[in-house]
Amino acid sequence: EADIYQTPRYLVIGTGKKITLECSQTMGHDKMYWYQQDPGMELHLIHYSYGVNSTEKGDLSSESTVSRIRTEHFPLTLESARPSHTSQYLCASSDWVSGSDTGELFFGEGSRLTVL
Amino acid sequence: KNQVEQSPQSLIILEGKNCTLQCNYTVSPFSNLRWYKQDTGRGPVSLTIMTFSENTKSNGRYTATLDADTKQSSLHITASQLSDSASYICVVSDRGSTLGRLYFGRGTQLTVWP
Repeated sequence: EADIYQTPRYLVIGTGKKITLECSQTMGHDKMYWYQQDPGMELHLIHYSYGVNSTEKGDLSSESTVSRIRTEHFPLTLESARPSHTSQYLCASSDWVSGSDTGELFFGEGSRLTVL
Repeated sequence: KNQVEQSPQSLIILEGKNCTLQCNYTVSPFSNLRWYKQDTGRGPVSLTIMTFSENTKSNGRYTATLDADTKQSSLHITASQLSDSASYICVVSDRGSTLGRLYFGRGTQLTVWP
């Protein structure tokens, strides 16, 4: 059972609002990720972090920002939401070690964002 | 270009029947291949992970195979149950970056009918 939690699970907001999607894990993992998933499409990496005060943008261009002040917490923020931000956002954490061929990737339940 | 292709895109089977899902990849250098199950509106849950030296791995009624030479993997589900209805995602990791970059397939949507 993965100990990684996302809130809110569902959010409907109006254009221009600021929102923060929360993600917390209790497994002590250094590596955390945010993915965006649209129906029938593959997951796209939008942000990742290798530890406290370490954040990088992923493959998919995103207007969101992230922070990593504590190991267990990796929130994602949209300063001004638009309808194009409507999507499913998945947070994940991993115990993968560089050079290793194993390492598990645990996902949260996701946050479904709808921007009207 | 590193890619992961899954087939079929969707599949409908009757409860109790077996089925096989396919995953072809071009990711290189290869590190590992994972199969995930994603229920509608939920996050993906890991079923199996296989490295280069592993040909087959089972998890209950799920059996994954890997042919690293042809860069193909399959996920076989035995005696399907209604709860198997979900999207099954193939994920391949490369060894060539410090990110341990993951390449995701689009998934196979499996529906099991009673």
